[in-house]
Amino acid sequence: DAGVIQSPRHEVTEMGQEVTLRCKPISGHDYLFWYRQTMMRGLELLIYFNNNVPIDDSGMPEDRFSAKMPNASFSTLKIQPSEPRDSAVYFCASRRQADTQYFGPGTRLTVL
Amino acid sequence: RKEVEQDPGPFNVPEGATVAFNCTYSNSASQSFFWYRQDCRKEPKLLMSVYSSGNEDGRFTAQLNRASQYISLLIRDSKLSDSATYLCVAGFWGQNFVFGPGTRLSVLP
Repeated sequence: DAGVIQSPRHEVTEMGQEVTLRCKPISGHDYLFWYRQTMMRGLELLIYFNNNVPIDDSGMPEDRFSAKMPNASFSTLKIQPSEPRDSAVYFCASRRQADTQYFGPGTRLTVL
Repeated sequence: RKEVEQDPGPFNVPEGATVAFNCTYSNSASQSFFWYRQDCRKEPKLLMSVYSSGNEDGRFTAQLNRASQYISLLIRDSKLSDSATYLCVAGFWGQNFVFGPGTRLSVLP
């Protein structure tokens, strides 16, 4: 199994630019999660989907953040416009209903 | 109060030592419990699930105390390779799992 795939692995952008992070969950997994991790705040849940439907987006910081899951094998997290405080590692994770949660390798985002 | 709390450490222990971490969770209805391990600049990975009766995997033992709402992880005969951050997790299968802030362990030669 390929595991959870995320792209890009690293992203450096300038303040005000749009950033799109991509995730391919493990095939057959019906839950998908987006997390953000910083030294100061630890691992924070941003949003999660069940069967492609957003279930809880209360962790999304503000309207600059949006996430979509158009099908079972693909999800995006978009930040527009990006700000320096968005710099963090963004993880995507997936799991089946009653199973282990697997994380992708993360996208390290730096906003200058 | 945070849903899952852990002592951030760091715990600095010599090789061969036994070290224990505790974690508390606030939602008494939580159903599922885990310990994840995260190496520096890597993603969290499942270390072990935590069952009500307690469970062991080699040098690692996990315990759950529902009455006091805490989870523990015991590592015996620590190895240098055990150096990592250990994340406690509590949650529900049909919902999100809540991750604690992590406890950092450094095993020293």
